[in-house]
Amino acid sequence: GQNIDQPTEMTATEGAIVQINCTYQTSGFNGLFWYQQHAGEAPTFLSYNVLDGLEEKGRFSSFLSRSKGYSYLLLKELQMKDSASYLCAVRGTTGGFKTIFGAGTRLFVKA
Amino acid sequence: DTGVSQDPRHKITKRGQNVTFRCDPISEHNRLYWYRQTLGQGPEFLTYFQNEAQLEKSRLLSDRFSAERPKGSFSTLEIQRTEQGDSAMYLCASSLASQGQETQYFGPGTRLLVL
Repeated sequence: GQNIDQPTEMTATEGAIVQINCTYQTSGFNGLFWYQQHAGEAPTFLSYNVLDGLEEKGRFSSFLSRSKGYSYLLLKELQMKDSASYLCAVRGTTGGFKTIFGAGTRLFVKA
Repeated sequence: DTGVSQDPRHKITKRGQNVTFRCDPISEHNRLYWYRQTLGQGPEFLTYFQNEAQLEKSRLLSDRFSAERPKGSFSTLEIQRTEQGDSAMYLCASSLASQGQETQYFGPGTRLLVL
């Protein structure tokens, strides 16, 4: 079967660092995406990993371990505007390279 | 604004009515996806097109749902005989098929409420 697990909610303090974990089991693997989604809005692309290791993009970094079926999104220097849901999504290699989304992690940033 | 537009943004309808949503993808994108999202969940795949061909349809999609992309540009999603359980956000995304990273860019969604 196909499954993506991420924590339901996390809370962190403005200026701090937070790590959001994602584990997955999918039919084949052809890339992992992280999206940010503010309440009532559409998901927006944050990062993409297809090889093992860390991808850094400003305050956001994403890590992938394919052998462990594991990824994390690291957010540094948290700002209040980072309060949102963070969706982990995996693209498979069957079924037309369909992308499966996790339920998302709701991050609350407090002052 | 990602360049993907959807219309309408909100739709309220009575149970049993038909509704149709439209999605205009980024112009050079050849793949178009429809998703459904309910509160507290991630987007759930419904169907996708490559150009005008509908290549996959979720088994979760009942016969009341149909989608078209007649000229390989905009797409429509129709729900016939709506039910209260159809209430959700319907998201459209488009991408450019490639060998490497294929990022999907989402539209703002159509929020459907079935009374």
